[in-house]
Amino acid sequence: EDQVTQSPEALRLQEGESSSLNCSYTVSGLRGLFWYRQDPGKGPEFLFTLYSAGEEKEKERLKATLTKKESFLHITAPKPEDSATYLCAVLTGTASKLTFGTGTRLQVTL
Amino acid sequence: DAGVIQSPRHEVTEMGQEVTLRCKPISGHNSLFWYRQTMMRGLELLIYFNNNVPIDDSGMPEDRFSAKMPNASFSTLKIQPSEPRDSAVYFCASSLYGGQNTEAFFGQGTRLTVV
Repeated sequence: EDQVTQSPEALRLQEGESSSLNCSYTVSGLRGLFWYRQDPGKGPEFLFTLYSAGEEKEKERLKATLTKKESFLHITAPKPEDSATYLCAVLTGTASKLTFGTGTRLQVTL
Repeated sequence: DAGVIQSPRHEVTEMGQEVTLRCKPISGHNSLFWYRQTMMRGLELLIYFNNNVPIDDSGMPEDRFSAKMPNASFSTLKIQPSEPRDSAVYFCASSLYGGQNTEAFFGQGTRLTVV
């Protein structure tokens, strides 16, 4: 069975304090790894897709990387508006099953 | 495109009543997912469809839950009879299976409260 584990469960940072979120996975036939952001009361919002080990994607203060066993979401100099829950998901199998981790709740304070 | 549209946004119902949640996927997308989100269990995949055909319903909790996709632009998730433990936020998502971009896009969710 596909497993996706995210850590830490919660993270509190001061504005400007860079850090990384981790997503480790055990799956058969990884076809893609996705990062989403979820704000309270809203649906997950797509951020990045990574398809192969060594791939990196960047968007503003966020950078996602992928190895054969895990992915990292690096947050550089975060701002309070980056506060949200960050979810990773894996796409596996021939029929596009999408499985999510439990997320990391990020709070960025002034 | 307006994105994935779910209705209703909020539903409060009494235990034992039938509840129907609705989803309109993004036009042109051929995969549709139903998820349930709770504080305890996070996002759980209930069922997903490819080209209107149910592929994996192993996440459906029990026979009280059923989902249909009669055409490419509409899907329903039905709970009959509903129970308080079904209270959660239910999300629908769609994606383009087999395309170059495979990311799934989510609706705003339906917050279900069963009292």
